[in-house]
Amino acid sequence: NAGVTQTPKFQVLKTGQSMTLQCAQDMNHEYMSWYRQDPGMGLRLIHYSVGAGITDQGEVPNGYNVSRSTTEDFPLRLLSAAPSQTSVYFCASSYSGAGGPYEQYFGPGTRLTVT
Amino acid sequence: SQKIEQNSEALNIQEGKTATLTCNYTNYSPAYLQWYRQDPGRGPVFLLLIRENEKEKRKERLKVTFDTTLKQSLFHITASQPADSATYLCALLEGGATNKLIFGTGTLLAVQP
Repeated sequence: NAGVTQTPKFQVLKTGQSMTLQCAQDMNHEYMSWYRQDPGMGLRLIHYSVGAGITDQGEVPNGYNVSRSTTEDFPLRLLSAAPSQTSVYFCASSYSGAGGPYEQYFGPGTRLTVT
Repeated sequence: SQKIEQNSEALNIQEGKTATLTCNYTNYSPAYLQWYRQDPGRGPVFLLLIRENEKEKRKERLKVTFDTTLKQSLFHITASQPADSATYLCALLEGGATNKLIFGTGTLLAVQP
């Protein structure tokens, strides 16, 4: 199993550009989520999904869109990048439902810089 | 407001000693608490989960306690090694079926040989 994979590893954007951060998992996990990590702020939840076709907002959703068309993939879209979105982005997945909660598996992260 | 506090200052200890990290929370009533380890440039890795009805949980050299009255969890690493040097994050589950984790800011542990 590859676990949780994220692409790209690094990205530099200009203000106003859009892009999609990719996240995929091969563990058949229902639950997937996106976090951003900033110095002194810890990990903050952006969006999450409890299954294909179901998404919801986390703590800091503004400026980001998500969709979940398959169990495996959960892309994060930046609609119009702003310098405040400079951060390290982590995707995570886990089982959910009866018998839980379960550990979350994190990807290696995408380091995004917006100039 | 809801807060999860971990000591933002690095914890420096000598190899072989026990490291104790603290996680305090306010305005939450979590049913579960998790601890993760994060190495520089990598994603967090799950270590332990403790439920509100469990006072203590152990895994090899790791021990976690959960005091819902004090609203505090303690994370202990016994016989610490330089390889234990990392940032340790506590996270609360908001409850329900969503698996939504709320993270503390983490504490950097440095174990000196």
